[in-house]
Amino acid sequence: KQEVTQIPAALSVPEGENLVLNCSFTDSAIYNLQWFRQDPGKGLTSLLLIQSSQREQTSGRLNASLDKSSGRSTLYIAASQPGDSATYLCAVSRDRGSTLGRLYFGRGTQLTVWP
Amino acid sequence: ETGVTQTPRHLVMGMTNKKSLKCEQHLGHNAMYWYKQSAKKPLELMFVYSLEERVENNSVPSRFSPECPNSSHLFLHLHTLQPEDSALYLCASSQVGSNQPQHFGDGTRLSIL
Repeated sequence: KQEVTQIPAALSVPEGENLVLNCSFTDSAIYNLQWFRQDPGKGLTSLLLIQSSQREQTSGRLNASLDKSSGRSTLYIAASQPGDSATYLCAVSRDRGSTLGRLYFGRGTQLTVWP
Repeated sequence: ETGVTQTPRHLVMGMTNKKSLKCEQHLGHNAMYWYKQSAKKPLELMFVYSLEERVENNSVPSRFSPECPNSSHLFLHLHTLQPEDSALYLCASSQVGSNQPQHFGDGTRLSIL
């Protein structure tokens, strides 16, 4: 069974710092890896999706990398802001084409950015 | 606005009650999902409806019963729930065959008394 681990579980930093969130997965036979953001009392918002054939994806201040063979991904947040405060979830898809759409999630990293 | 709407947002019920959670997606997707998010476990898939086929997690108790009347609507019928069923229930949708992310609703916070 696929297991996804996220480190650290929680992170509190001052505004302006560059951050790295880590995700690891036990089965490297993935189809894609996704990073989501969850605000309190809300659902999940997709941030970045990396296909298994890709090494990284970028969106604004966010950059996600994927090392499929070693079962690792990192989410890099540049110049953090208080609005970045949320829980960040990593998930991997194992079924090609998302036919079954099964995502395996980590427990998340709870990020607090203070002014 | 995510394109996936869940109702109600909050639900408190006793263990002997019967209730239903509703999800509607406005994205033209052809697959819908129910997830459970509790404090003690990672977010976990419960059911998938994809192209009229239902796939379920074998660990989901029979007191949870999904219904998908069409590609835009998904229900989760609840009966004789237990206190450990208290959690955030999230609905999502996606387009099968694409490599696009799933879109999530804001969830229903369920509390069992």
